[in-house]
Amino acid sequence: SYDLTQTPSVSVSPGQTSSITCSGDQLGTKYVCWYQQKPGQSPVLVIYQNSRRPSGIPERFSGSNSGNTATLTIRGTQPMDEADYFCQAWDNSIVIFGGGTKLTVL
Amino acid sequence: QLQMQGSGPGLVKPSETLSLTCSVSGGSISGSGDYWVWIRQPPGKGLEWIGAVYYDGATYYNPSLRSRVTISVDTSKNLFSLRLRSMIAADTAVYYCARQVDCGGDCADWFDPWGQGTLVTVSS
Repeated sequence: SYDLTQTPSVSVSPGQTSSITCSGDQLGTKYVCWYQQKPGQSPVLVIYQNSRRPSGIPERFSGSNSGNTATLTIRGTQPMDEADYFCQAWDNSIVIFGGGTKLTVL
Repeated sequence: QLQMQGSGPGLVKPSETLSLTCSVSGGSISGSGDYWVWIRQPPGKGLEWIGAVYYDGATYYNPSLRSRVTISVDTSKNLFSLRLRSMIAADTAVYYCARQVDCGGDCADWFDPWGQGTLVTVSS
């Protein structure tokens, strides 16, 4: 089965750049999405097709995907960005989620 | 704006069947090219895709749950449903319904929006 691996936690100071990674075998050949989930809330799509932002998602969110790693980057991280972030891809018509990364904004 | 509203019991006994419904408002469940999905999240853990249904009733499921899952659609009521049989404690989770947006080409679908989630506890 295909696995997506995420670092369990990332800490950043307000205003700094956050980088959250998602690793998988030849992940760069797949499309990756990213979801933000705040405590007690449902996940929200923040990036789809590797790097596209849905309407309403701030420009500080961006994504990239190459080789074995996809990266969600948040420039000028704000306290409101503190949340769990999950990557997601497809493998043979099956949906795969990463284990999630807890972003703490100190 | 499309909205998803899940509903169902919060408590299910071991060995019984879970039945959840997701009502879609602000758009039609038919003919959009989109699939409609169920995803679950055990407390404090990650997300697990359960399966999807198309407006014509076509389905596909997570192989790990296929033997116990049925997802169906009712276009007349603009809703879709989940049935998960033989529930065990490990099925305790928040169950989300969501739209699987058809990317329409050589690409990969994504999930947006998500419903509010229903916490289902399996306990006697």
